[in-house]
Amino acid sequence: AQSVAQPEDQVNVAEGNPLTVKCTYSVSGNPYLFWYVQYPNRGLQFLLKYITGDNLVKGSYGFEAEFNKSQTSFHLKKPSALVSDSALYFCAVRDLNYGGATNKLIFGTGTLLAVQP
Amino acid sequence: DGGITQSPKYLFRKEGQNVTLSCEQNLNHDAMYWYRQDPGQGLRLIYYSQIVNDFQKGDIAEGYSVSREKKESFPLTVTSAQKNPTAFYLCASNLRGLPQETQYFGPGTRLLVL
Repeated sequence: AQSVAQPEDQVNVAEGNPLTVKCTYSVSGNPYLFWYVQYPNRGLQFLLKYITGDNLVKGSYGFEAEFNKSQTSFHLKKPSALVSDSALYFCAVRDLNYGGATNKLIFGTGTLLAVQP
Repeated sequence: DGGITQSPKYLFRKEGQNVTLSCEQNLNHDAMYWYRQDPGQGLRLIYYSQIVNDFQKGDIAEGYSVSREKKESFPLTVTSAQKNPTAFYLCASNLRGLPQETQYFGPGTRLLVL
């Protein structure tokens, strides 16, 4: 079965320090992976995606993610955290069982990022 | 959130009442989706539509209904059969429903039961 795991409910980091939000996945075939951010009572905002090619993907707001096929991971990273980065982060993988023409996403349970000043 | 609007922002439902959540997009996207978000559970798919006048059940369709009469609109009705409707509802869309496409989300509607 296709699945996504975000092993940390919350990540705490000091402003200016690097941050990592972890994501592992399980799919049959090549994965299509996405990261979204959600601020309180708002919709999800797209950050970045991995489809194919370079394992290091750069996205919005200075975020990047590293695709690691052998470890089935797609961790989100940022070199220097800002207080304004504090939000809920979701990793998602496309569900291949729904067929090639449907872009249904399977979401992780989310990781709350708290950046302290 | 740009391009997808959801209304209302907050909605209150009385027991036994059906309520309808609006979702409109001006992105010219073919595919539209409804997700339900509960704390600690991520997002779960309720219904999706690949094209006008066609829609399919997602993982948790019971107690919900949808229509897709226009390309830009995909309203969701929460019926009285949905016994636990309190949640945050998110509408999404992408261009054709292809796997590499980014799915964009609206700002959400929070449904509360009186």
